Amino acid sequence: QVQLQESGPGLVKPSQTLSLTCTVSGGSISSGSYYWSWIRQPAGKGLEWIGRIYTSGSTNYNPSLKSRVTISVDTSKNQFSLKLSSVTAADTAVYYCARDVDGYNPFAFDIWGQGTMVTVSS
Amino acid sequence: EIVLTQSPATLSLSPGERATLSCRASQSVSSYLAWYQQKPGQAPRLLIYDASNRATGIPARFSGSGSGTDFTLTISSLEPEDFAVYYCQQRSNWPRWITFGQGTRLEIK
Repeated sequence: QVQLQESGPGLVKPSQTLSLTCTVSGGSISSGSYYWSWIRQPAGKGLEWIGRIYTSGSTNYNPSLKSRVTISVDTSKNQFSLKLSSVTAADTAVYYCARDVDGYNPFAFDIWGQGTMVTVSS
Repeated sequence: EIVLTQSPATLSLSPGERATLSCRASQSVSSYLAWYQQKPGQAPRLLIYDASNRATGIPARFSGSGSGTDFTLTISSLEPEDFAVYYCQQRSNWPRWITFGQGTRLEIK
């Protein structure tokens, strides 16, 4: 079955760019009509959708983060990536990647990675 | 932005009891409403989609209802493994914008 795994630095300095990658295994990132999303969760708080990408390269971003976010896809590596620029302590969170089924049921995030903790600190 | 407000923030119940969790949207979200369960240290798990459809492998004690702006997740008889945090989530049609509620913590009484 399809599995997702986040990877990237666990510590990022303020003002720098956070970079994470999600590797899709057990299936092709290009098969099916799926979007691939990033979601984050500060410690003890709720979930915040960051944005998503379709395998065509089409993206949607959370308007509150749009100016700092770039999501890209590398179908040859079966990966998609997140870049968040000009980070501050407020960006410290667990970052999840997830498969987003849209356009047909379940219109929801049906597969999630285990999450990776990113701390912004000097 | 469509805001989802979940209530109560915390619900204290005993195993075997019925749990009723609420999610209210600031404007209509049609039926594009999903519920997730999250246990400590784990990623969220999809429970309910389209407001009332159980995801694959979800026990029948979980049910969802509602439309428009008011939605409910019901757990008919709580099992020990059901104590967790529950989130509702919606997606706006245009532009595509996804938001979550702030969560309801279901704790053992």
